[in-house]
Parts: sequence; C-alpha cells; structure tokens
Amino acid sequence: IQVTQSPSTLSASVGDRVTITCRASQRISSWLAWYQQKPGKAPKLLIYKGSTLESGVPSRFSGSGSGTDFTLTISSLQPDDFATYYCLQYNTYWTFGQGTKVEVK
Amino acid sequence: EVQLVESGGGLVQPGGSLRLSCAASGFTFSGDSMDWVRQAPGKGLEWVASITGTSSYIYYADSVKGRFTISRDNVRNSLYLQMNSLRAEDTAIYYCVREQGSGSYFVDWGQGTLVTVSS
Repeated sequence: IQVTQSPSTLSASVGDRVTITCRASQRISSWLAWYQQKPGKAPKLLIYKGSTLESGVPSRFSGSGSGTDFTLTISSLQPDDFATYYCLQYNTYWTFGQGTKVEVK
Repeated sequence: EVQLVESGGGLVQPGGSLRLSCAASGFTFSGDSMDWVRQAPGKGLEWVASITGTSSYIYYADSVKGRFTISRDNVRNSLYLQMNSLRAEDTAIYYCVREQGSGSYFVDWGQGTLVTVSS
C-alpha cells in the first residue's frame, strides 16, 4: 500500500488552522496514525485509528477520514507545533507518508 | 514508564555487518510486537522489520529482505537487528519501536542509533 501525503511543506503562523492530508492507494478502513517529529528527536504518536487522540495530546489536534482519505487538523497552531508530521498506514504491513514540514510563515 | 534503548550503531564498510540491540523496560515485553524503523539523514521514516511477541511471525520490508534478520529474547527483554551485506543506502538512524499489541500502530519509540555505511 502506498501513502501519499501533502503538502510536503506548509508555511503558517501562530493561530492558523492547519490541515495535512494522506491518501492511501487502497482502502485501509481507519488503520491510520499520525506522528509529530522534531529535529533530533524520535517521532511522537498523536492520533491512531484515524481519529482517536493519544492520551496527553492537546485537543487542538484532530484526525478524520476512513477508507483512502485522511486529514490531520491543528485548529490553532501553537509555537510548539512547528515540526514535521507523518501519517502511517497499518492495515497491511506499515507504510509512512512522505512527511509534512510545518514551518514559520 | 516505557523505555527503549538502542545500541550497536556505528561506522561500517559497504558489504559489512552490524548487530543492533534494543533494551526494553516498563511493559510486558513478550506481549507486544516489536519493530525497527529507520530514517536516512534528512529523509522520511521507513519501516524495516517486525516480530510478534512469541517470534511466531516475522516481516521485512523488501529493501532489507534477505540481508537483515530481526529477533528477540523475551528473557532478556531485548530486541535485535542483524544487518548483513550493508549498503550505503542503509545509512540511517534506526529506531526500536513498540507496537500497540500486534499488527498495529507504533506507540513507543527509542531515541535511535546511527548506522553509517561508508568506505
């Protein structure tokens, strides 16, 4: 299964609403997770099963979608949210999206 | 608190071998599948290999199949990755990762260990 993530780079300001999308090459039900990675650090789980927020993750993060199309939304971007985000499909083996770097506008 | 601590990375020549280890603590190690995920410098994440809790099922990415071997020791709470016939494109940070159960998402990550394949 291939996963196409877009955009590759996103320029935004604090307070902006940010949306990142992932499209799977075949239906994966809701077997998709989202991760945040900061430079020099390991990825951190944000959302699993398409829309379930991991414990301790701020509620400004949300996930939606099922089948082939998924979205990660940050409702109001905070300074700590500038990072790279990855989606992961785990329906059949494991495949990551290419990543989206959220940078300062 | 879950802890995953990788070791064994370093510089190796093309065609050489290296064995990575991951010491796990803070959870029932034998109950969860474990994986290796890698990240080449400045690049994205790539799943490498997976092993179920009792080692009954093992899976590899096509890019490493036949060259890498994943294994685990549930007495020592340790995960391993034997890497043979290394290539320049295997240069990456290798992360030890815990799955939520089996056949699932990655819930915990180690800090990673750098493998550099170069002459």
